[in-house]
Amino acid sequence: ETGVTQTPRHLVMGMTNKKSLKCEQHLGHNAMYWYKQSAKKPLELMFVYSLEERVENNSVPSRFSPECPNSSHLFLHLHTLQPEDSALYLCASSQVHGSNQPQHFGDGTRLSIL
Amino acid sequence: QQPVQSPQAVILREGEDAVINCSSSKALYSVHWYRQKHGEAPVFLMILLKGGEQKGHEKISASFNEKKQQSSLYLTASQLSYSGTYFCGTGASNDYKLSFGAGTTVTVRA
Repeated sequence: ETGVTQTPRHLVMGMTNKKSLKCEQHLGHNAMYWYKQSAKKPLELMFVYSLEERVENNSVPSRFSPECPNSSHLFLHLHTLQPEDSALYLCASSQVHGSNQPQHFGDGTRLSIL
Repeated sequence: QQPVQSPQAVILREGEDAVINCSSSKALYSVHWYRQKHGEAPVFLMILLKGGEQKGHEKISASFNEKKQQSSLYLTASQLSYSGTYFCGTGASNDYKLSFGAGTTVTVRA
């Protein structure tokens, strides 16, 4: 089983919909991350959770709402999104939170906003 | 501020070598290298920590020059499987999070 699993792989939604992205890691890690990947742009860090507590919120609009119920699961709740939010959303995990820790990524959810 | 990667893209024939550079305007504590193939997750290659240690992963190696605030990734005797987009991620001394470069797309042809 892959280390970090994201569902769904693809999501198309209207601007008024509410949906959630799910991430599950099977590596026993204590830190989890949400990144946004847009074409030709660097990965943008959105949120970081360490031991189920949010430790980083990188000026992300409130239409994105993360949730970390336990150290293995991470959600990103979406509502009233804009067309510019269309992107690949990547989840990652690391043993602990720190810039000296390798990060393990999921395959991502490709999000398209109509 | 994100690190700057160069070149943006490189095309190689099997067996050729290439160098990808990653430069930061901030003092660095760590440099990560990842490779992402189309439609797949970025895969961790290696991490270099402050100290200038060179690391290797098969025929892919990297160096870290603290004074120049940059790292270089060396693809030696490239194989078809090396194709993908390579990202560097940098960590500053006083910051836990990584900043990523825009990526270098490597295409290896037979």
